[in-house]
Amino acid sequence: GAVVSQHPSRVICKSGTSVKIECRSLDFQATTMFWYRQFPKKSLMLMATSNEGSKATYEQGVEKDKFLINHASLTLSTLTVTSAHPEDSSFYICSARGRGLNTEAFFGQGTRLTVV
Amino acid sequence: AQSVTQLGSHVSVSEGALVLLRCNYSSSVPPYLFWYVQYPNQGLQLLLKYTTGATLVKGINGFEAEFKKSETSFHLTKPSAHMSDAAEYFCAVSPRIRGSYIPTFGRGTSLIVHP
Repeated sequence: GAVVSQHPSRVICKSGTSVKIECRSLDFQATTMFWYRQFPKKSLMLMATSNEGSKATYEQGVEKDKFLINHASLTLSTLTVTSAHPEDSSFYICSARGRGLNTEAFFGQGTRLTVV
Repeated sequence: AQSVTQLGSHVSVSEGALVLLRCNYSSSVPPYLFWYVQYPNQGLQLLLKYTTGATLVKGINGFEAEFKKSETSFHLTKPSAHMSDAAEYFCAVSPRIRGSYIPTFGRGTSLIVHP
């Protein structure tokens, strides 16, 4: 199956700093990428959808200036959490869908962000 | 609008027993249906999906699910639980629109397997 690699798997940052999370499709071209946030014991909350070369579409309630998403190439999307605060601590997961893969997306292994 | 409900945040079974995880959806048109598994601190892995055709879908690791339109359900089953099945399971739906995959996830069911 298609492989999506997410990096880093864990990151600890200080409050007020920014942190970047990368999501790469290793063996297919990801025309669409999705970013999710998962709270403890909760489901996945879709944050935004990005298409290669276009601006991301954010879900209602997600601050686009705080969660910057870039999908500059067909194999890479990044999520930057700007001016992080402890309440941003969470598990962030990306998924990617390729051309022709209309009914499935593949998930990265997730990034555990802890803001101290 | 579509939504998905997973009954029971926790399901506990003994090793070797039947596993049944429930999922009901709400949608004006039957959507695409998925089951995913998540192990601790990992992403999601697709177990199986229903798009069209046979309503009984077989997936990986011995799991299967049956789409029942009349009951708007897509319950996940496995005849005999194994310790390695202990994980979080998510049911998801996506609109039945060609070229579209925007899943909505249920809240998840934690499967606990006792020796």
